[in-house]
Amino acid sequence: GQNIDQPTEMTATEGAIVQINCTYQTSGFNGLFWYQQHAGEAPTFLSYNVLDGLEEKGRFSSFLSRSKGYSYLLLKELQMKDSASYLCAVQDGNYQLIWGAGTKLIIKP
Amino acid sequence: GAVVSQHPSRVICKSGTSVKIECRSLDFQATTMFWYRQFPKQSLMLMATSNEGSKATYEQGVEKDKFLINHASLTLSTLTVTSAHPEDSSFYICSARDREQGDTGELFFGEGSRLTVL
Repeated sequence: GQNIDQPTEMTATEGAIVQINCTYQTSGFNGLFWYQQHAGEAPTFLSYNVLDGLEEKGRFSSFLSRSKGYSYLLLKELQMKDSASYLCAVQDGNYQLIWGAGTKLIIKP
Repeated sequence: GAVVSQHPSRVICKSGTSVKIECRSLDFQATTMFWYRQFPKQSLMLMATSNEGSKATYEQGVEKDKFLINHASLTLSTLTVTSAHPEDSSFYICSARDREQGDTGELFFGEGSRLTVL
């Protein structure tokens, strides 16, 4: 079967750095997405990786290793507004999106 | 970025009634739209893929007669929850891709619709 694994919950301190990991096993691969979702709201797009390596976008960076079936989302200079759930989603060989359960990130002052 | 508008954002209805949720792509055309359901503290669950001009493709376990999907144009898809019951109470979210980007690229999400069935 296909599955996406990411930690259920993480806690970090304002101003610090946090890394949210995602491992996947899918039938084929056509890219990995990270989305941010605040409670009660729809997800918003953060990043898309289809090639190995690091993609940096402001305070957020996303890394992909296709050979290891692994990605991480790195958040720097954490702010209270970064408290949210972070969803990892992989597009399989049929371009179907497989969603992880999400990682709830709690930021403490 | 592209905008997907979803209405209503909140709806409360009595058990047995039907509720229609609209999903519109405002500044792009989408041949395919996706309908998701999300229960509290859980991830998105794909219910169905809505295809413009043809029948929707439903995921396993989703009743097509209960969740009616109509994708009549390149900018509008509707989800109708028929004879709603309390267990249908959930957060329903639609998403779409710009058809010019094909199967890759960003998914744009609507704001979501919170359905509460009394």
